[in-house]
Amino acid sequence: DAGVIQSPRHEVTEMGQEVTLRCKPISGHNSLFWYRQTMMRGLELLIYFNNNVPIDDSGMPEDRFSAKMPNASFSTLKIQPSEPRDSAVYFCASRRPLNEKLFFGSGTQLSVL
Amino acid sequence: AQSVTQLDSQVPVFEEAPVELRCNYSSSVSVYLFWYVQYPNQGLQLLLKYLSGSTLVESINGFEAEFNKSQTSFHLRKPSVHISDTAEYFCAVSEGNTDKLIFGTGTRLQVFP
Repeated sequence: DAGVIQSPRHEVTEMGQEVTLRCKPISGHNSLFWYRQTMMRGLELLIYFNNNVPIDDSGMPEDRFSAKMPNASFSTLKIQPSEPRDSAVYFCASRRPLNEKLFFGSGTQLSVL
Repeated sequence: AQSVTQLDSQVPVFEEAPVELRCNYSSSVSVYLFWYVQYPNQGLQLLLKYLSGSTLVESINGFEAEFNKSQTSFHLRKPSVHISDTAEYFCAVSEGNTDKLIFGTGTRLQVFP
């Protein structure tokens, strides 16, 4: 199994540009999570999906952030327009039903200049 | 709502010394507790978890954690650390009736020779 696959690994963009982060969960996993990691705030849960349906998006910082999961094998996190304070590592994670082990991708390092 | 507190942002220790990484949580309902480890430039990996049963849980590499309901704690311990244990350690909690997994801010364990 290839694990959770995130792309790109690194993204450098200018303030105001649209950024799209991608995630392919492990096949058979029905829950998908997006986290953001910064030095100041640690690991924050942004949003999670069960069976492709968004369950809790209370961690999404503001309307500039949006996430979709059009099918069981793909999810995107979009920031439009991006700002320097969005610079962070964004992790995607997936797992099987409740309280099973969470598998993390390698993350996307986002730098907004 | 549940929350997790890791009071120590950094813990320096010499090789073969014992170590304890502290974790406290708050929740109004039953919880499940986890420790994840993050090695440099990687995603998080599950180290151990408490779901039910024995309050003392162990990992395959010598770490253990004890669930203490009265003190709302889930401290991580190892009697003798190795250089390779240098990493960031995250405590996490989910409430029994949800998939939502909340992480603490992490503790960086630095093991010196």
